[in-house]
Amino acid sequence: GAGVSQTPSNKVTEKGKYVELRCDPISGHTALYWYRQSLGQGPEFLIYFQGTGAADDSGLPNDRFFAVRPEGSVSTLKIQRTERGDSAVYLCASSLGTMNTGELFFGEGSRLTVL
Amino acid sequence: QQQVKQSPQSLIVQKGGISIINCAYENTAFDYFPWYQQFPGKGPALLIAIRPDVSEKKEGRFTISFNKSAKQFSLHIMDSQPGDSATYFCAASNAGGTSYGKLTFGQGTILTVHP
Repeated sequence: GAGVSQTPSNKVTEKGKYVELRCDPISGHTALYWYRQSLGQGPEFLIYFQGTGAADDSGLPNDRFFAVRPEGSVSTLKIQRTERGDSAVYLCASSLGTMNTGELFFGEGSRLTVL
Repeated sequence: QQQVKQSPQSLIVQKGGISIINCAYENTAFDYFPWYQQFPGKGPALLIAIRPDVSEKKEGRFTISFNKSAKQFSLHIMDSQPGDSATYFCAASNAGGTSYGKLTFGQGTILTVHP
């Protein structure tokens, strides 16, 4: 596809379970970002990758959250021992690079609901 | 230090009117200021962006005004149309630092344009 693809679009899980959210960026985009958007709020930065490495993970709320991008393309956000407060829309975005002011392209997000 | 404050929370405008949304920031290291538009169920999409070396940028019906000394910037939508009804987010980042894509978002403004 032409845009950023995120799966699943919706995920309902129980408190304490493990969740994986996947992001497939636009082909050729080297930078990939994860954001979290709670209801009625603006997106909050979690982590970004330049290539395969996590260049900045300062936004991850705690050590239950982890993200990987092993081949420099698809990324997976992993959440262990989910809590009700983790419920939000998780947005992925990609761009051609990080050291310019080009456009950040967002996916439609994965809505996570923790019961 | 990292906050971006946005107002108003919601805005109702008649078709053909001018919509104005304001943002203020604290971190003087911010040097990239984009505005994003988000429709329900979709990810944010870049609308227009400005760097602090100019005081105004216009693209079609959308204009950003930037006041560096006051640390404020605003979005003006001229001739507002019902199709402009969406949530608008201002954002800021330190493009000259780690990454322009590590954005700090405002809280959002829900714009409704009545026909």
